[in-house]
Amino acid sequence: EAGVTQFPSHSVIEKGQTVTLRCDPISGHDNLYWYRRVMGKEIKFLLHFVKESKQDESGMPNNRFLAERTGGTYSTLKVQPAELEDSGVYFCASTKSRGSAPFFGPGTRLTVL
Amino acid sequence: SQQGEEDPQALSIQEGENATMNCSYKTSINNLQWYRQNSGRGLVHLILIRSNEREKHSGRLRVTLDTSKKSSSLLITASRAADTASYFCATVREGGKLIFGQGTELSVKP
Repeated sequence: EAGVTQFPSHSVIEKGQTVTLRCDPISGHDNLYWYRRVMGKEIKFLLHFVKESKQDESGMPNNRFLAERTGGTYSTLKVQPAELEDSGVYFCASTKSRGSAPFFGPGTRLTVL
Repeated sequence: SQQGEEDPQALSIQEGENATMNCSYKTSINNLQWYRQNSGRGLVHLILIRSNEREKHSGRLRVTLDTSKKSSSLLITASRAADTASYFCATVREGGKLIFGQGTELSVKP
């Protein structure tokens, strides 16, 4: 069974540009979560999808961030326009049920110059 | 912090020594989980301890949980250079989202 995959593994962009991160959860996992670790600080929750619906987006930092999960399969996280403070590692995780430990993807390292 | 505190924030030891990291949390829990992040990249789930458990082992890892003190510890025995990483505890909130501690940066010198 394939694990959670994320693309790209690393993205370097300039301030003001747009970047789209992609997450493919494990097949059959309805719950998909986005997290990020900025500047070596703590890992923070961004949002939670159940299938294609946003269940909880309380962690989204501002309206420059837009997450989608078309058809309840893969998810994208777009940052537009990117700012320097957006640099960090963005993690995606999925679970079949909310009570079990999530499976994390390898993360996308975003560098905004 | 959303979660609480982890200490130490940074720990440097020699190969073969034991490493102990502590985590405190603020709310009641069903379980507490420990994760490792290598080289600023992927998160790896290490171990889950349920609220009715006091201690759990997995290989060289030993986790304890004290719900009365709202704290947990992770012990890595006989450390190796490959254990160098950031370690985080996490608790589960509504909807299954994880709330992470601030993390401990462990450096194991060969």
